[in-house]
Amino acid sequence: DAGVIQSPRHEVTEMGQEVTLRCKPISGHDYLFWYRQTMMRGLELLIYFNNNVPIDDSGMPEDRFSAKMPNASFSTLKIQPSEPRDSAVYFCASSFLGGGADTQYFGPGTRLTVL
Amino acid sequence: AQKVTQAQTEISVVEKEDVTLDCVYETRDTTYYLFWYKQPPSGELVFLIRRNSFDEQNEISGRYSWNFQKSTSSFNFTITASQVVDSAVYFCALNTGFQKLVFGTGTRLLVSP
Repeated sequence: DAGVIQSPRHEVTEMGQEVTLRCKPISGHDYLFWYRQTMMRGLELLIYFNNNVPIDDSGMPEDRFSAKMPNASFSTLKIQPSEPRDSAVYFCASSFLGGGADTQYFGPGTRLTVL
Repeated sequence: AQKVTQAQTEISVVEKEDVTLDCVYETRDTTYYLFWYKQPPSGELVFLIRRNSFDEQNEISGRYSWNFQKSTSSFNFTITASQVVDSAVYFCALNTGFQKLVFGTGTRLLVSP
């Protein structure tokens, strides 16, 4: 079975540019999570969806960040405009049912570098 | 508030040595779930194990074993006869059922030949 798919795997952009990260969750999973990993802050949850609806976006750092899930098999995380401090690895994860008992399976991540 | 502490920042061992990675958690909830993830040098996060708060049985999977002790709020991970391929960052995480995984800061394990 295919795991969580993320694209691109690497993204290098210049400050001020728009960046869009993409995620395809595991088929049948109804929860989708976006995380960010940095040396300073470790792994932190940005936002999560249930059945395509955003449930908690309290981890989204600024209005420059936005996330959508137009259907059960696709989500995007957009940064506009990007800044050097957004450089990080962004992970997408999905789970079934989403409760604490349910394991979140992570994608390979997108390494974002903003120059 | 939920918190996970992995006090060991980095551990270096020689192949075939046994190594234990410590994890201490804090929560006021009586129902919670603990996880271990592995992050190899390639960067992905790989799920290893899940434990719920009502199951204190230790678990063994090949060279891996986990020791869950509610009395000390610990969920330690032991690798027996370590191998070079075990070199990675290992994360302990806590979920109290509100869909938020709280991660520890990770322990980097270096296994040299």
